[in-house]
Amino acid sequence: EDKVVQSPLSLVVHEGDTVTLNCSYEVTNFRSLLWYKQEKKAPTFLFMLTSSGIEKKSGRLSSILDKKELFSILNITATQTGDSAVYLCAVEAGSGGSNYKLTFGKGTLLTVNP
Amino acid sequence: DTGVSQDPRHKITKRGQNVTFRCDPISEHNRLYWYRQTLGQGPEFLTYFQNEAQLEKSRLLSDRFSAERPKGSFSTLEIQRTEQGDSAMYLCASSEDGPGTVDEQFFGPGTRLTVL
Repeated sequence: EDKVVQSPLSLVVHEGDTVTLNCSYEVTNFRSLLWYKQEKKAPTFLFMLTSSGIEKKSGRLSSILDKKELFSILNITATQTGDSAVYLCAVEAGSGGSNYKLTFGKGTLLTVNP
Repeated sequence: DTGVSQDPRHKITKRGQNVTFRCDPISEHNRLYWYRQTLGQGPEFLTYFQNEAQLEKSRLLSDRFSAERPKGSFSTLEIQRTEQGDSAMYLCASSEDGPGTVDEQFFGPGTRLTVL
């Protein structure tokens, strides 16, 4: 069974701090790894990673994938209170053709205090 | 608004009643997914459509659950004889099937079901 594990499960920081969120996975036939941000509503897409070692960056957020060690990290620099949310890691895996479901981790609850 | 939409946003029902939720995907997306999310957990996959064909169902989807996408556009998820354990957020997502591409799933706002 596909498994995605995120750590830490929760994190409290002060504005301006840098945080690193971790995601490890065990899946069959990996296709991609995705990061989502979830506030009190549906998840919103952040990044999709398919290749090892290539950093994806969007403003203060960046992410990288290591397909050999089966993990990804999401970095947030100069955190702001608006970054407070649950960050979800999901892995898309399958045998191709018909199987495109995502397996999610439990998420990391990030709280940024002013 | 060209995003994924879901209706209703909230549903309160009594145990034993049937409920039906609707999802309208992004118009050019031919893949549609249903997930269920409970408090403190990530979304869990329920089922997936490519156009009108239901290609996979999770073992979480008991025989009380049925999903349809009759014309390959909107989808409905019905839960019969609801139980308190069905209380959750039901999320719909859609993605585009591009040749040789891996496309991200975009989520709707969800339907929060409370079974009393």
